[in-house]
Amino acid sequence: DAGVTQSPTHLIKTRGQQVTLRCSPKSGHDTVSWYQQALGQGPQFIFQYYEEEERQRGNFPDRFSGHQFPNYSSELNVNALLLGDSALYLCASSPGRFGGTGYTFGSGTRLTVV
Amino acid sequence: DQQVKQNSPSLSVQEGRISILNCDYTNSMFDYFLWYKKYPAEGPTFLISISSIKDKNEDGRFTVFLNKSAKHLSLHIVPSQPGDSAVYFCAASVTGNQFYFGTGTSLTVIP
Repeated sequence: DAGVTQSPTHLIKTRGQQVTLRCSPKSGHDTVSWYQQALGQGPQFIFQYYEEEERQRGNFPDRFSGHQFPNYSSELNVNALLLGDSALYLCASSPGRFGGTGYTFGSGTRLTVV
Repeated sequence: DQQVKQNSPSLSVQEGRISILNCDYTNSMFDYFLWYKKYPAEGPTFLISISSIKDKNEDGRFTVFLNKSAKHLSLHIVPSQPGDSAVYFCAASVTGNQFYFGTGTSLTVIP
């Protein structure tokens, strides 16, 4: 049973560019949440997708946007990249919006902005 | 504005002894708390949870204690094993939805 799959695992982008990160949730999970983990920090909530709509959003600018597809997979898009966007981006899936213990994380995408 | 704090960045414990990891929070609306364990190059893995209606939850070697009046929770690992060496994150939420994470405590269990 595959868990949460994220791609790519590593990515290097130039300041000002745009990036798309992808996430396939665990089988049976329909909700995807995205987190940003900067070096030395805990994960910070970006947003959550359920039924193909953004349901909740953390304190992140509009440069961060997302999408959820009918098969529950999700994309995170970041426009006009800044050096400060360099971080590990984690996708978490859950069976329903209030995942609690059902929250399963992927291994993350390491984004480096140069 | 860090709503969940882990004030000890690192902890070293001898194998077989007790490891105690601490976490403080500021938002009294938090009603669901989790501990996650993270190895390098992997995503966080769920360890144990507790809701605000309880003050203790046990799962094998792991016990989480919640002190709502002090807005404090702790994770006890007894006995500690070398395989427990990892970064431990405390997380809190309202209704188990959006989670607020602490900055993590790196635990090293010395054989």
